[in-house]
Amino acid sequence: DIVMTQSPDSLAVSLGERATINCKSSQSILYNSHNNYYLAWYQQKPGQPPKLLIYWASTRDSGVPDRFAGSGSGTDFTLTISSLQAEDVAVYYCQQYSNTPPTFGQGTQVEIK
Amino acid sequence: QVQLVQSGAEVKKPGASVKVSCKASGYTFTNYDINWVRQAPGQGLEWMGWMNPHSSATGYAQKFQGRVTMTRDTSTNTAFMVLNSLTSEDTAVYYCARTSYSFGKGSLDYWGQGTLVTVSS
Repeated sequence: DIVMTQSPDSLAVSLGERATINCKSSQSILYNSHNNYYLAWYQQKPGQPPKLLIYWASTRDSGVPDRFAGSGSGTDFTLTISSLQAEDVAVYYCQQYSNTPPTFGQGTQVEIK
Repeated sequence: QVQLVQSGAEVKKPGASVKVSCKASGYTFTNYDINWVRQAPGQGLEWMGWMNPHSSATGYAQKFQGRVTMTRDTSTNTAFMVLNSLTSEDTAVYYCARTSYSFGKGSLDYWGQGTLVTVSS
């Protein structure tokens, strides 16, 4: 199975500041030569199901604010929240869907400093 | 709008089985795979398997092989997940989630609200 490793496990960021979450895959999850990867990011707030934020590593899902951005290449990927808002407090998960089984990172808790 | 609505919370005894339903609406049910993902209390997300509602083909995570069955009823646009031989380690919230692509690999774009299954003697 492909192992997805996120860092850090948690981070506290001041309102309006940048939050950066990293995700590393144990093997390639490259989709095509256009630098698309089988990688998604989800946001989960307490008591709610996960919500899809980013797919193909860098494509925002419909309605997702543009302060959320996905990037990366090779086996290293990043979710950046450019200006943290109070409503962004949540756990964030990366997921690869290149191989079966699809696998998730362990999650990163984002809090307000 | 796309919706996945799951059945209510369940309490089961060790050794029992549980059946969770997931009713889809707002799209053509048979065009998108349904996945099941679970989350133990305070833990991360664990993928259990997928089902193609058109063909009824399934694929299960090795951990659940022999203990899980995923089916569907196309007349009611409902997917089902049955998990047998429950233990306390199966206490979790179970989610159904749609694969975003009709054909091929995709992220999980719509999720049910979750069903809490508690296994306790």
